Formats: sequence, C-alpha cells, structure tokens
Amino acid sequence: AQSVTQLGSHVSVSEGALVLLRCNYSSSVPPYLFWYVQYPNQGLQLLLKYTTGATLVKGINGFEAEFKKSETSFHLTKPSAHMSDAAEYFCAVTPSGGYQKVTFGTGTKLQVIP
Amino acid sequence: EAQVTQNPRYLITVTGKKLTVTCSQNMNHEYMSWYRQDPGLGLRQIYYSMNVEVTDKGDVPEGYKVSRKEKRNFPLILESPSPNQTSLYFCASRGRGLNTEAFFGQGTRLTVV
Repeated sequence: AQSVTQLGSHVSVSEGALVLLRCNYSSSVPPYLFWYVQYPNQGLQLLLKYTTGATLVKGINGFEAEFKKSETSFHLTKPSAHMSDAAEYFCAVTPSGGYQKVTFGTGTKLQVIP
Repeated sequence: EAQVTQNPRYLITVTGKKLTVTCSQNMNHEYMSWYRQDPGLGLRQIYYSMNVEVTDKGDVPEGYKVSRKEKRNFPLILESPSPNQTSLYFCASRGRGLNTEAFFGQGTRLTVV
C-alpha cells in the first residue's frame, strides 16, 4: 500500500519569497514520485518527477524537489515566488516498475501575495 | 502534440439521465484512468484500464462504468447519475517505465441536479 501526505492545504507566500510545499509518502517498494500543478480551470500538468538517479530533480518554471529516502519526503521548492505560480500543487507516488496505481495527495493551494 | 481530450468540458444534467464523458489520447498509451476531484479530497481513481478490453475498479467505482474497445478511447459512463456524482472529472493516460507520468485531460465539470 502507498499513501501521500501534503502538509498544509493552503500556503501563502510573498512575491519573491521562497516557496516550500511539503510532501511525505509511504511505499512498501522504491517509489516513483511526482509533482503536478493545476491552474484554474485546467487539468494537471507535470512539474517534475523522480524515478531513478539524482535525488535532486529540477522541473519547469524554476521548481525543484529532493527525494530523501530516510525522511520519506519529496518537498517542492522554488527560490523566488512569482505571481504566476499561484495554483494548486499535487504530490503523487507510484511503486517503481510496471503499471501500478498512482496515489495523489490532497493538494496544496499556493497563494502569492504581491 | 501529445494530448488527452475530454468532452464535454461542462455538463449539467438531471438525476437518472444516462450520460457519457468521452476521453481520447494520441500517445499510444496502454494505461488510462478516470479520476474525480472534490475539494479537500484530492484526486480519487474511479476506474482504470491497462489495455484494450482490460479494465478494473479504482477507489470509488460505484455508479460508474467504463469501456476500452480501442486503445485511444476510454469513455466514462454514468447510467443513472445522482447529485453526489457532481464533481470535476479527469481522464489520464500514462506511458511505460521511466516515462510513467500521467497526462491529463482538461477536465469535465459535471453537475447533477
């Protein structure tokens, strides 16, 4: 079984400030981890993913995330928030290998204050 | 352009009137799934399909049906919609191996009155 916990359903940051969105997972086998972003009235699109190799992964729009196995975490960060980053962010996990179910977190809405 | 296309984007219907939401992908993906998104609950999987004629229940399958007669299409059928099926629905398809991220459609906002 697998699960994802996103701490904080709403996060507010000032424009230019650090963005930190938290994601912790549980998985009985090595996981693949994802962050998706959803802008208003749109579907989800992939921000970044960890499958194998380097544990610090970079995604689109200046976002990055680090896979920390010892902490079972995959937190999403961006050094400087932009107004266009306001959206809902979802962390997701799936067991590595083959077609396995993807489990999504409940999402974090990011508000960027001018 | 790689995409997942859902139709319609918005739908208002009455209780008990059968409806179908279509989903089509152009990436030759074998794995497709349907989710519903509700505030505070994230995305919950309704049904999924690992290949043509192979479908299985997800976490919340009650009240829904699916079919997979062709690789590219995966329609969601509500035989007798009820108000508790008012939600935002997403279709997604996935590739294999390391390219296993999901591609999502634009969503269908369904209201059942």
